[in-house]
Amino acid sequence: QVTLRESGPALVKPTQTLTLTCTFSGFSLSTPGMSVSWIRQTPGKALEWLALIDWDDDKYYNTSLKTRLTISKDTSRNQVVLTMTYIDPLDTATYYCARLGVAIGYYFDYWGQGTLVTVSS
Amino acid sequence: VLTQSPGTLSLSPGKSASLSCRASQTFNSGLLSWYQQKPGQAPTLLIYGASKRAPGIPDRFSGSGSGTDFTLTIDGVEPEDSALYYCQRYGGSPPITFGQGTRLEIE
Repeated sequence: QVTLRESGPALVKPTQTLTLTCTFSGFSLSTPGMSVSWIRQTPGKALEWLALIDWDDDKYYNTSLKTRLTISKDTSRNQVVLTMTYIDPLDTATYYCARLGVAIGYYFDYWGQGTLVTVSS
Repeated sequence: VLTQSPGTLSLSPGKSASLSCRASQTFNSGLLSWYQQKPGQAPTLLIYGASKRAPGIPDRFSGSGSGTDFTLTIDGVEPEDSALYYCQRYGGSPPITFGQGTRLEIE
């Protein structure tokens, strides 16, 4: 059974660095073709893809946010970590992690339940 | 860029819904997916490869299209279909793109 779970602070102050962790089970991020992405949704707005890391440790970032984002993985602990620097109130959103395996298909088949991050002083 | 239309669609139960997703450049239809998101929930996969239903998805949901124009059709909408619907493309740079969503309201 595949599950993903996001964790991190619920409240962050502006200019701080946000660190989110995606802990998953039921699959391995060392399996060829496998990847995990971070996706966010600001209140009342659309889904916004943020970053992806794959089995080969290749990393891809949202073009407009790439200077602020870092994605990494710990395969042994089944975790993917996203850091976002210089947090702003506009970054208030629900942050999701999701699995995509190109050997399965080019879509997100499993999502975490999301974690709400509020940016406020 | 993926552009979805309409922004909001209001229908009565039993009607047919047609949701559009238009890409700025042509791409392989195998890379196009549709998701449904209900309030307070994560998105769930409806359609992948432009026209293949995900496991457990009712057959009133269907996808079609190629090139730059894709459509999600819901035949005989039900109140439980009220949700946000997103298309998503894999590939290119950046590797993942979402449309801005269509809100479907069943009244």
